[in-house]
Amino acid sequence: EAQVTQNPRYLITVTGKKLTVTCSQNMNHEYMSWYRQDPGLGLRQIYYSMNVEVTDKGDVPEGYKVSRKEKRNFPLILESPSPNQTSLYFCASSLRGANYGYTFGSGTRLTVV
Amino acid sequence: SQQGEEDPQALSIQEGENATMNCSYKTSINNLQWYRQNSGRGLVHLILIRSNEREKHSGRLRVTLDTSKKSSSLLITASRAADTASYFCATDQGSSYKLIFGSGTRLLVRP
Repeated sequence: EAQVTQNPRYLITVTGKKLTVTCSQNMNHEYMSWYRQDPGLGLRQIYYSMNVEVTDKGDVPEGYKVSRKEKRNFPLILESPSPNQTSLYFCASSLRGANYGYTFGSGTRLTVV
Repeated sequence: SQQGEEDPQALSIQEGENATMNCSYKTSINNLQWYRQNSGRGLVHLILIRSNEREKHSGRLRVTLDTSKKSSSLLITASRAADTASYFCATDQGSSYKLIFGSGTRLLVRP
């Protein structure tokens, strides 16, 4: 089944403890992206990647890192999480960017206390 | 930055009725997409309409695009309780690199 897999689904962590949210797609898509969704603010893009080793900032990149060493994986790294990063995170992929439909993962609900 | 703005913010209809949601955007686009999100879950791609298209159909969905007015509408015909979800439009702002999502319309279909 074609899908984007995110892990974990739920995560509660403490301020400052480094964490990684994994994202993997099995569709050989070139493009991958991370969004966060907050009430009243909608979906905002954090980072995106057009292909292996090619990444760029979205609208809200502060406090996040990404890497794209393999085509299928696009992990989101929070080096020192803070409470304002409590949010619902989505990974998405598409064949080649915004001219194609996105496939979204099921989401990761992160709480930073 | 918000590109698409949906209207209405919330819509409640009876099963079997049609639901119409509107989206307005600000800059020129290559395409506009509609997505559905069930509560707290991932978004599901519904339909993509390119800037040179005026109307597109997919099952019970009909999307129109008016680039002169910078607006789009999503029509769901013969709605079902399972259509209850939030619906988002998304535009590319003429860029290949990212989709900008609107704030969404919450649709409630009453059985």
